[in-house]
Amino acid sequence: GENVEQHPSTLSVQEGDSAVIKCTYSDSASNYFPWYKQELGKRPQLIIDIRSNVGEKKDQRIAVTLNKTAKHFSLHITETQPEDSAVYFCAATDRGDGNKLVFGAGTILRVKS
Amino acid sequence: EAQVTQNPRYLITVTGKKLTVTCSQNMNHEYMSWYRQDPGLGLRQIYYSMNVEVTDKGDVPEGYKVSRKEKRNFPLILESPSPNQTSLYFCASSSTGAGTYEQYFGPGTRLTVT
Repeated sequence: GENVEQHPSTLSVQEGDSAVIKCTYSDSASNYFPWYKQELGKRPQLIIDIRSNVGEKKDQRIAVTLNKTAKHFSLHITETQPEDSAVYFCAATDRGDGNKLVFGAGTILRVKS
Repeated sequence: EAQVTQNPRYLITVTGKKLTVTCSQNMNHEYMSWYRQDPGLGLRQIYYSMNVEVTDKGDVPEGYKVSRKEKRNFPLILESPSPNQTSLYFCASSSTGAGTYEQYFGPGTRLTVT
């Protein structure tokens, strides 16, 4: 089955700096790669996603890039703000199966003001 | 308001005492799923359901049961809870599969088994 590895496990940045979180996946059939943000004590919420036929997607300060050949994808947050502090999870479909999603272990992002 | 609800939000129980965590969604979603969240392990899928009466195992189904008799409800059943099932549980729903569209998560149920 799919295996998703996420790095780093914790990341501290200064307000206004950029943050990058990287994930690798094992199943070349995976075709959907979402990113979820979980604030302290809250539920995970989707912030951006990308499909395998797209190399990059951007939404304001957030972007995701996908390299299918290398089987890795990354989340980029620019001009970080204190409210970006949260746990971020990447995920990938298992065997291209729309039913199963495998999550990374998560990255704790701290934005220092 | 479109939402996924779970009950109870917090539960402390003892080993072997059967319990049920309810999950309900009002978005007419076909897909529903249960995850457990443990520190350093992310979210791991327990069971999922593509539609009424259709359920399948996720990555960590041992010790859990589910049922999907109605489209809106997807209860998680622990027949004989053990301490290693102490965790934070999330129910989620999606209009189609988890790997297709956004999943909407419930508020979570923190379970402690002593």
